[in-house]
Amino acid sequence: DGGITQSPKYLFRKEGQNVTLSCEQNLNHDAMYWYRQDPGQGLRLIYYSQIVNDFQKGDIAEGYSVSREKKESFPLTVTSAQKNPTAFYLCASSRFHSNQPQHFGDGTRLSIL
Amino acid sequence: EDKVVQSPLSLVVHEGDTVTLNCSYEVTNFRSLLWYKQEKKAPTFLFMLTSSGIEKKSGRLSSILDKKELFSILNITATQTGDSAIYLCAVEANNAGNMLTFGGGTRLMVKP
Repeated sequence: DGGITQSPKYLFRKEGQNVTLSCEQNLNHDAMYWYRQDPGQGLRLIYYSQIVNDFQKGDIAEGYSVSREKKESFPLTVTSAQKNPTAFYLCASSRFHSNQPQHFGDGTRLSIL
Repeated sequence: EDKVVQSPLSLVVHEGDTVTLNCSYEVTNFRSLLWYKQEKKAPTFLFMLTSSGIEKKSGRLSSILDKKELFSILNITATQTGDSAIYLCAVEANNAGNMLTFGGGTRLMVKP
């Protein structure tokens, strides 16, 4: 089945530790996105990528980093510089410049130990 | 800066009621408005609206866009407990990244 797979579903981070969230898609989509969702709030864009080896900062990129070495994969690293990382992280993908909506993975819930 | 505001923040109704969720927006170079339903995990796509005045319908759900007044509504008739979810509105601008700006969502609870 085509879709977006995020892993792990739950992740715990110790103070000062970097953690990486995985996002893989087999939809042959060009564009991929990372969002953060806090309780009772909408989604805020962290980073996005339109093409392999290129990515752009979103509204809240500080404390995060990404890479796009393959079309299918767009991992997000939450660095120790992100002082409030506890949130629900959603990955999405879409065809670039089309009338197709973004499709989402099931998310990763990150908590601080 | 693009902005999307949803109202109400939350809503509690009983099965069989009809609800209307609101979404107003300010966006430079509007392309489309999207509605998503989010239960526990991934938001699932409901509607994409690009033209004013044309209602989109799927079963008991319908939505319409007013590009002059810059808002959209999502209607749910004969609500069921399975409609309980967060409903997210997002706007897409004609920008380089096809990025979406999301509203804060409306949390709907349907009681039996």
